[in-house]
Amino acid sequence: DSGVTQTPKHLITATGQRVTLRCSPRSGDLSVYWYQQSLDQGLQFLIQYYNGEERAKGNILERFSAQQFPDLHSELNLSSLELGDSALYFCASSVGQNSNQPQHFGDGTRLSIL
Amino acid sequence: AQSVAQPEDQVNVAEGNPLTVKCTYSVSGNPYLFWYVQYPNRGLQFLLKYITGDNLVKGSYGFEAEFNKSQTSFHLKKPSALVSDSALYFCAWPLYNFNKFYFGSGTKLNVKP
Repeated sequence: DSGVTQTPKHLITATGQRVTLRCSPRSGDLSVYWYQQSLDQGLQFLIQYYNGEERAKGNILERFSAQQFPDLHSELNLSSLELGDSALYFCASSVGQNSNQPQHFGDGTRLSIL
Repeated sequence: AQSVAQPEDQVNVAEGNPLTVKCTYSVSGNPYLFWYVQYPNRGLQFLLKYITGDNLVKGSYGFEAEFNKSQTSFHLKKPSALVSDSALYFCAWPLYNFNKFYFGSGTKLNVKP
């Protein structure tokens, strides 16, 4: 058990809709990372937050946004969903702000767009 | 462009035999390199990392990796494979400012009894 909790585990929705994925980091970790895993694009870094502040942006679409709350949990918001957004979304956490530290991954949220 | 590459989509090994999962890098300076493993329907788990120092890095579950600067490689190895090692393995590296993290394409390891 990594200590990182992601909810929900599965999400099925339709094109054009909006969803929110939630992540609770491991106790004591201040950084939260979001990743997208799909068959065609592999594992892609989306965004990182550290102690409530955005720290780094990767290949995150403008339709996607995230935030980290004072209690350090994070939410990834996906809007105007398209078929191509179907993927496994992972959250990971680490102690510090630099990504040269090991990250602890949740088991992911599987998003299916119909 | 800076990146890591995993040249093999799949590696097949018999149980008890040594295994190698390959990773090459194209990163300027002294790279930080990581290996992660993903079991079916699970998130990734950290195995080991190379920062500086000894070129042979020991990690979890009996895995080790050798950093080879002349060959720009960071191959993952284990002396004796187990069926339970069957999983997807990712080589990874943080971008120079450490704020972005990139994964290779992954290698599926199949260990047969």
